[in-house]
Amino acid sequence: DIQMTQSPSSLSASVGDRVTISCRASQGIINYLAWYQQKPGKVPKLLIYAASTLQSGVPSRFSGSGSGTDFTLTISSLHPEDVATYYCQKYNSALSITFGQGTRLEIK
Amino acid sequence: EVQLVESGGGLVKPGGSLRLSCAASGFTFSYYTMHWVRQAPGKGLEWVSSITSGGTYIYYADSLKGRFTISRDNAENSLYLQMNSLRVEDTGVYYCASARGHVGPNPFDIWGQGTMVSVSS
Repeated sequence: DIQMTQSPSSLSASVGDRVTISCRASQGIINYLAWYQQKPGKVPKLLIYAASTLQSGVPSRFSGSGSGTDFTLTISSLHPEDVATYYCQKYNSALSITFGQGTRLEIK
Repeated sequence: EVQLVESGGGLVKPGGSLRLSCAASGFTFSYYTMHWVRQAPGKGLEWVSSITSGGTYIYYADSLKGRFTISRDNAENSLYLQMNSLRVEDTGVYYCASARGHVGPNPFDIWGQGTMVSVSS
């Protein structure tokens, strides 16, 4: 099975900072990579799919990049409401869908 | 409004069974692959199972070892998860999710609010 590894597992940043979260696949997944945001006590929300396509309604400060095995989620300017846990997900096959272990983002 | 609403969770003893339901509305349910995802308390997201639009292809996480069965009723716009031989480690919130989009693999664009399953003696 393809494993998804996120880094860091947690981070603390200041409002206005640029934040990057990485996700690495153990094998190539082309661009079948999504990012989700889960705020405390809430349902996961799709932010980005196909590695770099912003889901409708998601603020433009969020962006994604990468292909193959290495992917990045970037928040260009951190807002207080971005406090959440972020998950990457490979979805190249319904046979085996895998989430990363999550990155908890806090405000410094 | 596009919506998924789960039900059927609750408290059950180890070895017991539960059947979760997910009612879809606001979109053409029969067109899309559907999924179950779970989240243990304080832990990350874990994919459980998928079923294609017509129910032809069904997939499960290896960790379930044949204890769970996914199904759907397109006439009723409903998704189900039959859970048998439940274990303490099956405790968590269970979400249904849709994967709408173009032909081919799609991310999970709509999630239900989740239903809590607690397995405890």
